[in-house]
Amino acid sequence: RKEVEQDPGPFNVPEGATVAFNCTYSNSASQSFFWYRQDCRKEPKLLMSVYSSGNEDGRFTAQLNRASQYISLLIRDSKLSDSATYLCVVTGTGRRALTFGSGTRLQVQP
Amino acid sequence: NAGVTQTPKFQVLKTGQSMTLQCAQDMNHEYMSWYRQDPGMGLRLIHYSVGAGITDQGEVPNGYNVSRSTTEDFPLRLLSAAPSQTSVYFCASSPGQGFVDEQFFGPGTRLTVL
Repeated sequence: RKEVEQDPGPFNVPEGATVAFNCTYSNSASQSFFWYRQDCRKEPKLLMSVYSSGNEDGRFTAQLNRASQYISLLIRDSKLSDSATYLCVVTGTGRRALTFGSGTRLQVQP
Repeated sequence: NAGVTQTPKFQVLKTGQSMTLQCAQDMNHEYMSWYRQDPGMGLRLIHYSVGAGITDQGEVPNGYNVSRSTTEDFPLRLLSAAPSQTSVYFCASSPGQGFVDEQFFGPGTRLTVL
């Protein structure tokens, strides 16, 4: 079983749609959680950290469920510029390394 | 403030050749790391360092060496290149003190081994 699992997609949605991505992780000792965005042939960039209480940044909302070891990302009012691959990332025990999911590809269509 | 820089951007090697991928950061981050990214595999950690003089292995360290003589630089050495090392290599740094937090990535090096 992969340490971090994501649906690879692609998710094809029209502009203005709401789309949700899910991610599960296997290490119950993971302490920090992130969503990164990666554009084609570019480096990953931090989208947002994920906190137990949930957090929102504009059109983006992230949720963490430690009991179920599950992380989600909700994107509202999708824009063409949101088209990218979204990577779910968790830290391991002791926070010495990050483990990346394989990513979920989003394609927003006009 | 250049952030994380990597050189070269592209490289083609023949099997058995060695080379060093360069990585530097100007953010005074203690934590630095190297990843490789292959299609459908996500990013996999090769080596990491929590500070100058300290390095450790990640998930896929075989065939690679690292050293950390300064806070700024974290070069990755391929000892004897193999076609299986064809990949995109990303260097990253993190402001965490002795641990990893959010990471800032360099633009990547695209390596082909023939």
